[in-house]
Amino acid sequence: AQSVTQPDIHITVSEGASLELRCNYSYGATPYLFWYVQSPGQGLQLLLKYFSGDTLVQGIKGFEAEFKRSQSSFNLRKPSVHWSDAAEYFCAVGGGSGSARQLTFGSGTQLTVLP
Amino acid sequence: NAGVTQTPKFQVLKTGQSMTLQCAQDMNHEYMSWYRQDPGMGLRLIHYSVGAGITDQGEVPNGYNVSRSTTEDFPLRLLSAAPSQTSVYFCASSRIGSNTEAFFGQGTRLTVV
Repeated sequence: AQSVTQPDIHITVSEGASLELRCNYSYGATPYLFWYVQSPGQGLQLLLKYFSGDTLVQGIKGFEAEFKRSQSSFNLRKPSVHWSDAAEYFCAVGGGSGSARQLTFGSGTQLTVLP
Repeated sequence: NAGVTQTPKFQVLKTGQSMTLQCAQDMNHEYMSWYRQDPGMGLRLIHYSVGAGITDQGEVPNGYNVSRSTTEDFPLRLLSAAPSQTSVYFCASSRIGSNTEAFFGQGTRLTVV
C-alpha cells in the first residue's frame, strides 16, 4: 500500500528565509508525486508534480521539489519565503493506472511566516 | 472557468439526518473522487468513479454512498449522519491516463451535532 509521511506538523520561518518541507513516500513502483497548497478556507491548489524525467521539478509561486528515489523523498523548497506563502502544504502520491487517481496524502505541514 | 463546483459550502446536520453533497465538473474528466479532510490526517479517499455508472470504494467508505449517472456530476450521500462524519469534504476530478493532475473543489464544511 502506498503512504506518505510529512514529518513536520508545523514550521515557522521568517519572511525572506529559505524553506524546505519534507516528504517521504512509500510506493511499489515509479511514483507520481504532487505538492498541493491549501490556504485557510480554500481548496487545494497544485504547486508542482513529478511524473518522470528530470528529478528537479519547478512549480508555481517560485517553488521547486527534488525527487530522490534512493531516499524515497520529494522535498519542497523555496529560496525566499513571502508572507503570502503562509498556508498548509500537502504532499501526495498517485496510484492506480493513472497518475492522479487514488491520491494518498500526507498529514500536511502548516507553514507560519514571521514578518 | 468553473472547474469543480461543490455545494453547499457549509452545512450543519443533526445526528441521523441524511443529505447529499453535490459535486459538478465542466472539464469532461472521466475520473472523480471524494475525500474527507480531518485535522492531522490529511485527505482520505472515500469513493471514486472512473466514469458514468462505475464507482468504487476508497479508504474510508463506510457511511457514504455515491452514484455517477453523468460524466459531470458525482454526488456524495450521507444516509444517516453521525458526529464522526464532521469533516471538510473535497471533490476532485481528473482525466484518466498518465501525467494527469487532480483538480479540487473548494470544499464543503459539514458539522454533525
